[in-house]
Amino acid sequence: DTGVSQDPRHKITKRGQNVTFRCDPISEHNRLYWYRQTLGQGPEFLTYFQNEAQLEKSRLLSDRFSAERPKGSFSTLEIQRTEQGDSAMYLCASSLPAYPYEQYFGPGTRLTVT
Amino acid sequence: GQSLEQPSEVTAVEGAIVQINCTYQTSGFYGLSWYQQHDGGAPTFLSYNALDGLEETGRFSSFLSRSDSYGYLLLQELQMKDSASYFCAVDGSGNTGKLIFGQGTTLQVKP
Repeated sequence: DTGVSQDPRHKITKRGQNVTFRCDPISEHNRLYWYRQTLGQGPEFLTYFQNEAQLEKSRLLSDRFSAERPKGSFSTLEIQRTEQGDSAMYLCASSLPAYPYEQYFGPGTRLTVT
Repeated sequence: GQSLEQPSEVTAVEGAIVQINCTYQTSGFYGLSWYQQHDGGAPTFLSYNALDGLEETGRFSSFLSRSDSYGYLLLQELQMKDSASYFCAVDGSGNTGKLIFGQGTTLQVKP
């Protein structure tokens, strides 16, 4: 396994458009996380899956954001009606539910909303 | 609210020792992690402390005091490649492993 992969790596879109990102976690990891990171800040939690179940979603997350993990493997994050404030790096991470709870991060998708 | 505080920048010379502190205030606490992130790269895991005390992994050590809501990352024998951002992160939920990250400390190692 080569680690967590994300696609696309970069996305430029116009305000109001919808975008979808994909994350492929490490195959045996049943936990999957989405984070958002802006310049000079730490990653901010967006949502979490255990297998195919979405168990937690940040209260800061607008209803324009939705995520799925239909078969407990890859996940998608969709942002509807994008706004300039959505411009950020979107990071996906996966882990096992075991000590030391290391999260393996993908390279991220950089979104720019013009 | 939930907050983590760490210095924004630290500068040190090659071969030196540097300590990056982290204080946290969160509604729950199960453990403190440290991640390293190079410019343009993804965060990578360095350490995890669930119990009080020092954990050592090669040149890096991490310390936790739960009673003081405080931890630190100690980097020894600094190398140029250690120049990066370092984030402390609290696992406040236990069940999910969801991490709350600090704003990060940018470490610059000079020759």
